[in-house]
Amino acid sequence: DAGITQSPRHKVTETGTPVTLRCHQTENHRYMYWYRQDPGHGLRLIHYSYGVKDTDKGEVSDGYSVSRSKTEDFLLTLESATSSQTSVYFCAISPGGDSSMKTQYFGPGTRLLVL
Amino acid sequence: DQQVKQNSPSLSVQEGRISILNCDYTNSMFDYFLWYKKYPAEGPTFLISISSIKDKNEDGRFTVFLNKSAKHLSLHIVPSQPGDSAVYFCAASEGGATNKLIFGTGTLLAVQP
Repeated sequence: DAGITQSPRHKVTETGTPVTLRCHQTENHRYMYWYRQDPGHGLRLIHYSYGVKDTDKGEVSDGYSVSRSKTEDFLLTLESATSSQTSVYFCAISPGGDSSMKTQYFGPGTRLLVL
Repeated sequence: DQQVKQNSPSLSVQEGRISILNCDYTNSMFDYFLWYKKYPAEGPTFLISISSIKDKNEDGRFTVFLNKSAKHLSLHIVPSQPGDSAVYFCAASEGGATNKLIFGTGTLLAVQP
């Protein structure tokens, strides 16, 4: 299994508070991704990174920001959490490149509840 | 507008029989397709993939078929086992430098003993 950890694994917070989720990898992969999983929607990309300090938006980026100051760490921040951001968040990594290098490997997920 | 669709939310199959999971896509520029398996409270795990230049890829009990003219791919599991019970996601790569994947909404497979 790819070396990916996410912290925290579970979090309960209140509306309006800031929340930061961490993804840590030991594979030295170039690409890192944040997804959210919600019933009926599958996995939707929030933000992704293609290198240190290089990030871009995904399809559901509103209300989220990211940072990547080191290859191994990718942080997802909810500046002011809302109930609509209650979800399961997954981090993924990929070496990038042709064919099989496109495969993404996922972390165990963070379950976030915003009250 | 969903570019990758899994129209069957669930599928129930008897142990030992074949499971066929289907996926349709709309973007003819997709160049790589993947299937992931997800158990409850775990992250998705990569199962099998296929390049757009092929029409079949096999790995043990799992085979993925790609029909580019129909923009359709399917995952066959033979024989199905109770441990295969999970949610299966298909995904497609847009190609290019972003390496992004577009996921379907998933199909819950239940293999009955």
